[in-house]
Amino acid sequence: GAVVSQHPSRVICKSGTSVKIECRSLDFQATTMFWYRQFPKKSLMLMATSNEGSKATYEQGVEKDKFLINHASLTLSTLTVTSAHPEDSSFYICSAETGLNYGYTFGSGTRLTVV
Amino acid sequence: AQKVTQAQTEISVVEKEDVTLDCVYETRDTTYYLFWYKQPPSGELVFLIRRNSFDEQNEISGRYSWNFQKSTSSFNFTITASQVVDSAVYFCALSEASYNTDKLIFGTGTRLQVFP
Repeated sequence: GAVVSQHPSRVICKSGTSVKIECRSLDFQATTMFWYRQFPKKSLMLMATSNEGSKATYEQGVEKDKFLINHASLTLSTLTVTSAHPEDSSFYICSAETGLNYGYTFGSGTRLTVV
Repeated sequence: AQKVTQAQTEISVVEKEDVTLDCVYETRDTTYYLFWYKQPPSGELVFLIRRNSFDEQNEISGRYSWNFQKSTSSFNFTITASQVVDSAVYFCALSEASYNTDKLIFGTGTRLQVFP
């Protein structure tokens, strides 16, 4: 089946630094990828939709300059949290539509802790 | 606008009890998909089911069953004879198939705890 590989699974960074999260579709081409954020014991909130070769579409309230999304190829989308602060600490998950019966496939998530 | 409501925040049951997780959705579209996912403590999302809006047949898969009622915009999920391994957060989700982005909107989730 369609697999999305997400790295890193955990990252701890210092306040003010930037962190890049990668999502790769391993055995299919992902024209569109979705980025979600999940606070502890909360739901998954869609942050943005990234389309290969074009600018990402951000959901209302999500800072574009804070959360940079790049989808330069059909198999790779990246989310960069710039100048991270403790309030950015969260679980970030990517997803891609597969065109298969189950629709979407998800990465395993990245737990970001900003200290 | 599309919205998914899971009114039950937490449910606790004892093993072997049946449990139903409720999901109510709102959408402007006539063509859409509904999903259920399981999220164990490790965080990954486990796909359980996808149902399109034209298929109102109920579905059974082992101990799991789903009841789709368009008239009440509900897509409820029942676990029969629950087990400790069923303990997780369960999310209901909706995507509107007519939009190019087909983004998936999640409900707030129901945390299920099954005690031995």
